[in-house]
Amino acid sequence: NAGVTQTPKFRILKIGQSMTLQCAQDMNHNYMYWYRQDPGMGLKLIYYSVGAGITDKGEVPNGYNVSRSTTEDFPLRLELAAPSQTSVYFCASSQPDRVGYGYTFGSGTRLTVV
Amino acid sequence: KNQVEQSPQSLIILEGKNCTLQCNYTVSPFSNLRWYKQDTGRGPVSLTIMTFSENTKSNGRYTATLDADTKQSSLHITASQLSDSASYICVVSGVATDSWGKLQFGAGTQVVVTP
Repeated sequence: NAGVTQTPKFRILKIGQSMTLQCAQDMNHNYMYWYRQDPGMGLKLIYYSVGAGITDKGEVPNGYNVSRSTTEDFPLRLELAAPSQTSVYFCASSQPDRVGYGYTFGSGTRLTVV
Repeated sequence: KNQVEQSPQSLIILEGKNCTLQCNYTVSPFSNLRWYKQDTGRGPVSLTIMTFSENTKSNGRYTATLDADTKQSSLHITASQLSDSASYICVVSGVATDSWGKLQFGAGTQVVVTP
């Protein structure tokens, strides 16, 4: 019963480098999300997907890209890393067929851009 | 301005004591309010979910209350344990089908339980 799995757990990038944060869920949830969490702030939505092949921007999408080729996977791509992208990134999934459903979060990826 | 404000920012309590965390929100219309527990280095885990028609919900030693008229919620921790040390996050949804991620997150209250 893995839930939502994120890799890597930690990463240090140099300015201008690129990387992909991986996220996979095994609950057959249609909806998946990427959030970032900065110190002293609430989670902010970066991108979300309501199903395979469908993605849309959240509150803070600049500097990121996503794809959703399968129900299980929802990778987040950083093309040109900037210090402002230093943060903890959380992937989540849900199946909102009713009010009051829950979100399942991964354990996070701590990214530092230097 | 953040639509979900939590207080206090942090608190330290002795093991075995009770504590109450506060959440005020301005999200409107209101659909549901959730409390999450986030251990250090982990993702948030759901504690309770309340819709506008519910004014209290319990999960073990955690009891959440909701006053939709005053737009306030509280999370009460009874007989605290060392494992309760974590950040507690209030999350408010303004639509019934918030599948598209329109959740508003509070910054959290950091709770430290000491022996």
